[in-house]
Amino acid sequence: SQKIEQNSEALNIQEGKTATLTCNYTNYSPAYLQWYRQDPGRGPVFLLLIRENEKEKRKERLKVTFDTTLKQSLFHITASQPADSATYLCAFFPSYNTDKLIFGTGTRLQVFP
Amino acid sequence: DGGITQSPKYLFRKEGQNVTLSCEQNLNHDAMYWYRQDPGQGLRLIYYSQIVNDFQKGDIAEGYSVSREKKESFPLTVTSAQKNPTAFYLCASSTQTGPNTGELFFGEGSRLTVL
Repeated sequence: SQKIEQNSEALNIQEGKTATLTCNYTNYSPAYLQWYRQDPGRGPVFLLLIRENEKEKRKERLKVTFDTTLKQSLFHITASQPADSATYLCAFFPSYNTDKLIFGTGTRLQVFP
Repeated sequence: DGGITQSPKYLFRKEGQNVTLSCEQNLNHDAMYWYRQDPGQGLRLIYYSQIVNDFQKGDIAEGYSVSREKKESFPLTVTSAQKNPTAFYLCASSTQTGPNTGELFFGEGSRLTVL
């Protein structure tokens, strides 16, 4: 079956360090991959999109990689701040011909001062 | 400001009652979606609509119904047939339909509790 896996354990890091979150998938061939941020009790907010032919995408302190061989995406936040504390979700369109965006379970990031 | 508005934010329901969650968008988006979120689980797709007067079942449509009579509105009814309706419900919209890369714009969610 098709699966998206994100680390269910919370990631705790110190302010100023780089946070790295992992998203693994099986039995998919996603064309596009998205990352969202979700704060408690609120709707997710779109952060970045990366295509399968793009190895890396950057936006300010955020960086996303997409390795179709490893079937993995990494999400990095450099110089992390307490305000970055949230749950981060990865999401895929499983194929080109679908509107159904599939979400991972999310990883909670806690940045301590 | 443009965006998606969900109401109510909190809703309590007795067992056996139907309840309708509202979702309105003024972004002029064609596609709209309903997701359900439970603790420890990812967002699961209930229904989606790519155009007015048309909608498709998602992965967990049983016990739910929707309508899309207007482009701006996509209400979700949680029926008494839904066995475990207590959850956080999220509505979203997207600019593109068909093969797409469209980001989803989410509302603030509606938390339904069955008493």
